[in-house]
Amino acid sequence: ETGVTQSPTHLIKTRGQQVTLRCSSQSGHNTVSWYQQALGQGPQFIFQYYREEENGRGNFPPRFSGLQFPNNSSELNVNALELDDSALYLCASSSGQGTGELFFGEGSRLTVL
Amino acid sequence: GENVEQHPSTLSVQEGDSAVIKCTYSDSASNYFPWYKQELGKGPQLIIDIRSNVGEKKDQRIAVTLNKTAKHFSLHITETQPEDSAVYFCAASDEVTGGGNKLTFGTGTQLKVEL
Repeated sequence: ETGVTQSPTHLIKTRGQQVTLRCSSQSGHNTVSWYQQALGQGPQFIFQYYREEENGRGNFPPRFSGLQFPNNSSELNVNALELDDSALYLCASSSGQGTGELFFGEGSRLTVL
Repeated sequence: GENVEQHPSTLSVQEGDSAVIKCTYSDSASNYFPWYKQELGKGPQLIIDIRSNVGEKKDQRIAVTLNKTAKHFSLHITETQPEDSAVYFCAASDEVTGGGNKLTFGTGTQLKVEL
């Protein structure tokens, strides 16, 4: 059973650029959620996808968007990057919409200069 | 929305001692309370969780208690070992309306177990 994998592990962008982060869910899982973790803080919920549809969103602006593919892999896209977007972005998968354990990947560390 | 506060932010104990981390939440609709352990360079990993129909849950050296009336829950680690050193996060969610994946996390507790 493969766990949640994310790519890239680290990347550096400049203000105004766009970034795409990728996630491969754990085998058998059909729900993926994305979290932003600033340094020294707890993860903050960005959004959740179930069966390729967004079905829950946190307090993040529309320039944060996502996709979930039929194979349950997922992308997080961030447009018009700002300095405050620098954070660890975590992908988590689970086998249901709203209950049970979340399995987190190791994250993608984004630095915006 | 939900707000979760966590204390202390850092905790240092001697190996073999107990460690207690406390969290409070604001939304009375929250009914699912997981605890995650995050080691350096890794993603958070679930160590124990509790639902609001239960007051206490134990798994070997780890236990969690929940007081719904006071809206607080705690993590207890007994007989601490050096490998328990990590950052611990509490979280809360409303599984009915919010979905269990929409977790609101506390700010974390850096636990250091000293030899």
